[in-house]
Amino acid sequence: QVKLLQSGAALVKPGASVKMSCKASGYTFTDYWVSWVKQSHGKSLEWIGEIYPNSGATNFNEKFKGKATLTVDKSTSTAYMELSRLTSEDSAIYYCTRRLPMDAWGQGASVTVSS
Amino acid sequence: DIQMTQSPASLSASLGETVTIECRASEDIYNGLAWYQQKPGKSPQLLIYNANSLHTGVPSRFSGSGSGTQYSLKINSLQSEDVASYFCQQYYDYPYTFGAGTKLELK
Repeated sequence: QVKLLQSGAALVKPGASVKMSCKASGYTFTDYWVSWVKQSHGKSLEWIGEIYPNSGATNFNEKFKGKATLTVDKSTSTAYMELSRLTSEDSAIYYCTRRLPMDAWGQGASVTVSS
Repeated sequence: DIQMTQSPASLSASLGETVTIECRASEDIYNGLAWYQQKPGKSPQLLIYNANSLHTGVPSRFSGSGSGTQYSLKINSLQSEDVASYFCQQYYDYPYTFGAGTKLELK
C-alpha cells in the first residue's frame, strides 16, 4: 500500500537549517506531486509547497518562499524539504503528503527550534 | 489567498447522533474541497474529496455536500472512533488553504 515514511524529530538552534526526508513506497513516485504541510502546535494546517518528482517542478506558498527548499531523489523515491534560517516560529510538525487531494500522509516530523 | 472559515470550532455530540461541520470559502472554489480527519497524535486522513466524493475505505456514514462557497461534512450515527479534529481544505487555487479545524468530542 501507499506509504510515506518521514525522518525523525529534530532539535535545531535558531539560525540553523534542517533537512527532512520523506520516502515513498507502494506507488510510482514520479507520477504524483508531493506536498509539504506545516502544523504548529495545536493549530491548523498550512500548505508549504509541492514538487513533481518527474520534472522537479515546484509551487510554493508565498509565505514559505525563501524558507523552504524542495528536492527529490528519484533513485530512492525520496522527497526532501530543507528549512533555513530557523526561528521559534518554525517549531512545528511537518508532513509530506501525496497529490491532491492529499490521499496519503507521512507520520510527521517534529522540528523544535531552541538554543 | 482564499480564506476558509470553518464552524463550529468545537462540537460535543452523543453516540448515534448526526453532526454537521460547515466550511465557507471567501470565493467560489468550484467543488475543489476536501475534508480530513485527524485523531490525536496522528496524521490527517482524507475523508472526502471534490466536495462530495467518499475516499476509498471511508465509512459511508461520512458524507460531503455543497457548492460555490458553502460546503459541509455530515457524520451520521456518530461512533466513538469519530472523536477527532476535522479540517476542510480548498485546492481550487494556490496557495491551498485549510480551515481552522473542528474538534469533535463525545458528550
